[in-house]
Amino acid sequence: AQKITQTQPGMFVQEKEAVTLDCTYDTSDQSYGLFWYKQPSSGEMIFLIYQGSYDEQNATEGRYSLNFQKARKSANLVISASQLGDSAMYFCAMREVNDYKLSFGAGTTVTVRA
Amino acid sequence: GAGVSQSPSNKVTEKGKDVELRCDPISGHTALYWYRQSLGQGLEFLIYFQGNSAPDKSGLPSDRFSAERTGGSVSTLTIQRTQQEDSAVYLCASSLGGGGVRNTGELFFGEGSRLTVL
Repeated sequence: AQKITQTQPGMFVQEKEAVTLDCTYDTSDQSYGLFWYKQPSSGEMIFLIYQGSYDEQNATEGRYSLNFQKARKSANLVISASQLGDSAMYFCAMREVNDYKLSFGAGTTVTVRA
Repeated sequence: GAGVSQSPSNKVTEKGKDVELRCDPISGHTALYWYRQSLGQGLEFLIYFQGNSAPDKSGLPSDRFSAERTGGSVSTLTIQRTQQEDSAVYLCASSLGGGGVRNTGELFFGEGSRLTVL
């Protein structure tokens, strides 16, 4: 069964606007970690932000914030003040308790327009 | 460099040939992962190494795929008798630790090896 679902294959956003990327996950564990990675056209995977299921506050890293709704099993990424350099593919991933690998979603392509 | 290094960056081969992909993880990282990314798709887990423990090979798609990690450092992913469906980018990643939710350490990825099977 798919553990991570990203329903938006592609999105366009105007420069300087905010964009929200959806991510829902499926796990029976009470403890787990959620990650977001960025993959520009060059191909490297860049870690953006982490949210632990036990964290009471939503994670933030600069212009990135994670809207974590545990009851809904969603972990949406919000990018504020979009820049042209934000154009990339974004992946949501999860690590379950006592596991080591990350399970990735299919990704969302973001294109920032000037 | 200080990052994860993969070679070759690009490999074009003929169907039926064997290929070897190499990964040199970040020094001191005990965990090493191989993922596969088909065009425009997400990442598919292949195999995981942690220290001297037996690797988790549960993601390998067939017995044509194998991987080893020598001396707890460099890893080689081997694909025998390549097929066209093996064409993908093979990504290697390393991290400081292995499992556990409180391991917030992210995976550090290499730039990948793009494999094209003609």
